[in-house]
Amino acid sequence: DAGVIQSPRHEVTEMGQEVTLRCKPISGHNSLFWYRQTMMRGLELLIYFNNNVPIDDSGMPEDRFSAKMPNASFSTLKIQPSEPRDSAVYFCASSSLESGNEQFFGPGTRLTVL
Amino acid sequence: DAKTTQPPSMDCAEGRAANLPCNHSTISGNEYVYWYRQIHSQGPQYIIHGLKNNETNEMASLIITEDRKSSTLILPHATLRDTAVYYCIVRPSLFKAAGNKLTFGGGTRVLVKP
Repeated sequence: DAGVIQSPRHEVTEMGQEVTLRCKPISGHNSLFWYRQTMMRGLELLIYFNNNVPIDDSGMPEDRFSAKMPNASFSTLKIQPSEPRDSAVYFCASSSLESGNEQFFGPGTRLTVL
Repeated sequence: DAKTTQPPSMDCAEGRAANLPCNHSTISGNEYVYWYRQIHSQGPQYIIHGLKNNETNEMASLIITEDRKSSTLILPHATLRDTAVYYCIVRPSLFKAAGNKLTFGGGTRVLVKP
């Protein structure tokens, strides 16, 4: 298995632009997580899905952030409009009961908003 | 969720055992102790987890005290590639709705020296 796949790996954009981050979970995993990591705040859970349904979005910072999971093999995290303080590394992870709910993380997307 | 306390950093010698402590004095009876690590520029990686008994796998050993208020992760023969930030996480029961969530603290930055 290729593991969790994220794209793009790096994104540089200007303030006010829309940003879409993409994630393909490991095949067969039914839980998907979006995290954000910054020096100041560390690694924070933004939202997670079970069976494509959002379960807990309490970590989503504000309405500019939205996440979708239209099917079991794809999820997006969108920021609109983006701001410099959104600059961070965004990780996607997936898990399943069969994997003991161990979360497998992707390589992350490094976002820079100028 | 129970809070964990870890030393911010520690050094260890290559080839020697690395013992990483974690305090979780408010842990409840059905909460697990999980360890993840994050090597620079990569996503976090699962290491090991336990509930009451000591656990061992190909990566590490986990020693949990009898009162469950603290634990130690042991890397038996540290290599330079073990240099990473190690996170100790207390996680709700996997059978609870919140059991999927991982809350990362600051972790311990481990530097393995030649």
